[in-house]
Amino acid sequence: SQELEQSPQSLIVQEGKNLTINCTSSKTLYGLYWYKQKYGEGLIFLMMLQKGGEEKSHEKITAKLDEKKQQSSLHITASQPSHAGIYLCGADWNAGNMLTFGGGTRLMVKP
Amino acid sequence: DADVTQTPRNRITKTGKRIMLECSQTKGHDRMYWYRQDPGLGLRLIYYSFDVKDINKGEISDGYSVSRQAQAKFSLSLESAIPNQTALYFCATSDFGINYGYTFGSGTRLTIV
Repeated sequence: SQELEQSPQSLIVQEGKNLTINCTSSKTLYGLYWYKQKYGEGLIFLMMLQKGGEEKSHEKITAKLDEKKQQSSLHITASQPSHAGIYLCGADWNAGNMLTFGGGTRLMVKP
Repeated sequence: DADVTQTPRNRITKTGKRIMLECSQTKGHDRMYWYRQDPGLGLRLIYYSFDVKDINKGEISDGYSVSRQAQAKFSLSLESAIPNQTALYFCATSDFGINYGYTFGSGTRLTIV
C-alpha cells in the first residue's frame, strides 16, 4: 500500500554491520507490527508497537515508533546471515480491525 | 502440527481451471484472512472474515471467492485462473483487536500457466 511505505526496498550488508529499515504511514497509526519472512516461507511476528516513543527488542532487533512522524524504524545490530529475509511492517489504522502491509524490505547479509 | 495449515503448499495449474486453496487453524481465532504476495508489493488483502457468518471483500477480491465452512476453516477459490494470479498466497488468523498480531500459514505458491 502506498499509504504505508517501507524503505529501502532492498539492502545488502556485510555481516557484523548495523542497519535500519523504515516504515512510514500516511495515516495515524493505532499499532504498528513488524514481521520477518524467510524467502518463500510464512511470516513470523517480531513485535508490535503502539505508543509513541515505544521501543521494543527481539534478540538483536530493536524497533521504535515515532508518533510525530507516524514512522517506525527497525534496527538490527551486528547483522548475521540468519537475519536475511524480507521484513514487512503492518499498520493497524482502525483500532484492531485488520492490518495493511508495506511493500517489504529484502535484506541480504554477506558473510 | 502448525497453528495455521495451508494446502496445497505448491500448485501449478492451467489457465481457466478452477482451483481451491484451503486453510485450517487450531488457534481458536474468529478472524481469518487471505492475502496474496507479489514481489515488491508486500501483502495485499483478498478477503477477510470476522466470524463464520461474516465475509468481506478486501483490496483485490476480483476473480476470487471464499467460503468460511467453520470457525477453523477458510478456503479461497479462483473460479477461472489466469496467469496474473500467479503469486504466493497466505492465510492468517487473529483474535479480536489483533493484540498479538496475525498468525500466518506457510503459504501456497500458485503458478498459473
